[in-house]
Amino acid sequence: IAGITQAPTSQILAAGRRMTLRCTQDMRHNAMYWYRQDLGLGLRLIHYSNTAGTTGKGEVPDGYSVSRANTDDFPLTLASAVPSQTSVYFCASSDSISSGSNEQFFGPGTRLTVL
Amino acid sequence: GQNIDQPTEMTATEGAIVQINCTYQTSGFNGLFWYQQHAGEAPTFLSYNVLDGLEEKGRFSSFLSRSKGYSYLLLKELQMKDSASYLCAVMDSNYQLIWGAGTKLIIKP
Repeated sequence: IAGITQAPTSQILAAGRRMTLRCTQDMRHNAMYWYRQDLGLGLRLIHYSNTAGTTGKGEVPDGYSVSRANTDDFPLTLASAVPSQTSVYFCASSDSISSGSNEQFFGPGTRLTVL
Repeated sequence: GQNIDQPTEMTATEGAIVQINCTYQTSGFNGLFWYQQHAGEAPTFLSYNVLDGLEEKGRFSSFLSRSKGYSYLLLKELQMKDSASYLCAVMDSNYQLIWGAGTKLIIKP
């Protein structure tokens, strides 16, 4: 593994189903993030984690949950998917959350369609 | 509220120079980032500005004026591979990135 990986690459999901998007990084970064990207809108932060064992809510957290059991993994769960959650989801990481110069590194994204 | 504005789309000619502007209004400021995103791919980091002035990195330069809430990304000697979206993002007082919707740059031969 080099950098950040996400799985699956794409998924079509029936409304009401539960879905977990996986994210793993091998850079030993403390901070991790989940964004969604929709056409015509900027990336919007869903949830973040400053360090293993802690999580926080971003701009659009409703309908999503996260956990950070260890440094490397940061899964995003949709408990009961709705069509408005159709989007491209990006996981990102950075060395720390409270240092302005820390760039965020992005995974390749998961394209999710909820029907 | 927090707001990042940048043009939706720009067109330029191969070999030319293009300037992509970004204006922002955020609660606090801990730096401004530019990212490049090719269609269907992840954003990748281009530049970071936290002090006023110009930062040059090869063919790309980024400028910041904190008093005006303004930045631009300057791309010189444009190549076809520069066709992409360019995302402006500001780190606010909570160290969260606020993202613009991106500027799609089309390069014509």
